[in-house]
Amino acid sequence: ETGVTQSPTHLIKTRGQQVTLRCSSQSGHNTVSWYQQALGQGPQFIFQYYREEENGRGNFPPRFSGLQFPNYSSELNVNALELDDSALYLCASSLAGAASNEKLFFGSGTQLSVL
Amino acid sequence: GENVEQHPSTLSVQEGDSAVIKCTYSDSASNYFPWYKQELGKGPQLIIDIRSNVGEKKDQRIAVTLNKTAKHFSLHITETQPEDSAVYFCAASILSGGYNKLIFGAGTRLAVHP
Repeated sequence: ETGVTQSPTHLIKTRGQQVTLRCSSQSGHNTVSWYQQALGQGPQFIFQYYREEENGRGNFPPRFSGLQFPNYSSELNVNALELDDSALYLCASSLAGAASNEKLFFGSGTQLSVL
Repeated sequence: GENVEQHPSTLSVQEGDSAVIKCTYSDSASNYFPWYKQELGKGPQLIIDIRSNVGEKKDQRIAVTLNKTAKHFSLHITETQPEDSAVYFCAASILSGGYNKLIFGAGTRLAVHP
């Protein structure tokens, strides 16, 4: 069974730039959620994708957007980067429709630094 | 609003002692409560979870208890070992608009000293 993989592991950008983070879900999982984890805090929900559509969103501005592909992999895009966007971005996969659909499995994350 | 409070923020124990981390949630509709362990440079790893129709669940040295009336749940680690040192997060699942999302606590940094 393949776990959740994310790329890149680290990224440095400057304010105003755009960034794309990538995630491959765990084998057999069809739902991907993205979380932002600021230093010293718990992860915060950004959005969730199921059947290639966003089906839930947290309190994040529209410059945070995403995609899900037919193979269930996903991208997180952030436009007009701000210094406060510096954080660990976590991707988590799950299986919608299963009795345990809330059970999330996380990747190791992408550490984004905005200078 | 949606909120999970977690205490303590740091916890230091001697190897072999027990460690207890406590969380309180705000949404009475929450019915799934996972605990995650996060080691340096890694993503959160699910270590145990409990659903609202169960009061207690145990897996070897780890146990979780849930008090739905008080909206409290706790993680208990017995016979702690140095490799238990990590940041632990509690979370509560919230169903909103047909999808589930997890609301996390701020984390507890556990240090187990040999």
